Amino acid sequence: SQELEQSPQSLIVQEGKNLTINCTSSKTLYGLYWYKQKYGEGLIFLMMLQKGGEEKSHEKITAKLDEKKQQSSLHITASQPSHAGIYLCGADKALNAGGTSYGKLTFGQGTILTVHP
Amino acid sequence: EPEVTQTPSHQVTQMGQEVILRCVPISNHLYFYWYRQILGQKVEFLVSFYNNEISEKSEIFDDQFSVERPDGSNFTLKIRSTKLEDSAMYFCASSAWDRGPDTQYFGPGTRLTVL
Repeated sequence: SQELEQSPQSLIVQEGKNLTINCTSSKTLYGLYWYKQKYGEGLIFLMMLQKGGEEKSHEKITAKLDEKKQQSSLHITASQPSHAGIYLCGADKALNAGGTSYGKLTFGQGTILTVHP
Repeated sequence: EPEVTQTPSHQVTQMGQEVILRCVPISNHLYFYWYRQILGQKVEFLVSFYNNEISEKSEIFDDQFSVERPDGSNFTLKIRSTKLEDSAMYFCASSAWDRGPDTQYFGPGTRLTVL
């Protein structure tokens, strides 16, 4: 089964600093989702990457899918306290297997981001 | 902006009791899901539902669990006889159709506490 490992497990940065969160898969990634979760709340969709080498940006957050390294990275530029939360990567098994997708997502354990003002 | 809603936000129940968690998916979505997150652990897939039937379920989703779309808007998860280990945050999600399920949008969750 697909296993996703995120690093680091937690990250504390000063406001204004850049940071990167990584998500590594035990199998080749062909589709990956990034979500943000505030403690005790729901998951907020950030970005979906489907093609190897694909890169997407939204405001100060950039996500990249590196198919060869079986890894995706999430980069935040000039972090703000509003970026604080838990970042989760999730993979759609079927997008990875190339077969029919029923949308079962497998998630990493999450990266806890704290941004000090 | 359309969103997935869930009720109640917090449910406390006694072990052995039945609970029903409710979700209203985004109105034009066709795929519906339940996930759960035990405190401090990963978000885990429970079940996916499409065209009024279960598409896929995990090994967690045993005979104690059932899902239903009783009308055109609600999607429910029933746990027939709750156990202590069922205490978790339960998330409903929905997605549209784009040659298969599209991005999943999650609700705010229901925190289930089994005493």
